[in-house]
Amino acid sequence: SQQGEEDPQALSIQEGENATMNCSYKTSINNLQWYRQNSGRGLVHLILIRSNEREKHSGRLRVTLDTSKKSSSLLITASRAADTASYFCATGRGGSQGNLIFGKGTKLSVKP
Amino acid sequence: NAGVTQTPKFQVLKTGQSMTLQCAQDMNHEYMSWYRQDPGMGLRLIHYSVGAGITDQGEVPNGYNVSRSTTEDFPLRLLSAAPSQTSVYFCASRPQTGGNQPQHFGDGTRLSIL
Repeated sequence: SQQGEEDPQALSIQEGENATMNCSYKTSINNLQWYRQNSGRGLVHLILIRSNEREKHSGRLRVTLDTSKKSSSLLITASRAADTASYFCATGRGGSQGNLIFGKGTKLSVKP
Repeated sequence: NAGVTQTPKFQVLKTGQSMTLQCAQDMNHEYMSWYRQDPGMGLRLIHYSVGAGITDQGEVPNGYNVSRSTTEDFPLRLLSAAPSQTSVYFCASRPQTGGNQPQHFGDGTRLSIL
């Protein structure tokens, strides 16, 4: 069963603009992760935020987490054509298994 | 460091055939997993392993078998291929030091069942 649901499903912006993607989930989590997938490739980990954290930055990426609303957002600032990809959120419950549950993804297109 | 390597990259099978998708990692990760990715469905967990000799079912295990005889390898077997198993299959690994670790993915195997 899907845990995370990304919104929007698709997003098209111009180079230099900011891109914001949202993720909602249903059950309690230990951490939330964001991944990027370029066409025809595997997923690449971008950032992990723990349930006791509210905001995290990595380069042009900013992730927020609101556990009371069961939601997270990924902001990519000053987008580049190379950011064109699908972005997935994945929730983890921690523990020795630590299985992730992935959402359906947001397809981002950045036009030069 | 190759990371996670999946073979083959593409495969076409006939209904009823069996095959094994290979996955190998060279990072000494204890946790390994298999996902399938279908259009509009995101990734769904098929099977996973927390160490050599230990495997368990994920969300969609039916029609698939796994084994983990070494830390490095985690093959996925399709017993009798069905058209519903047409998908892109991804293998991933991470250290077993708890669930707060990112997963490393291979580039996938694109499988078509006719």
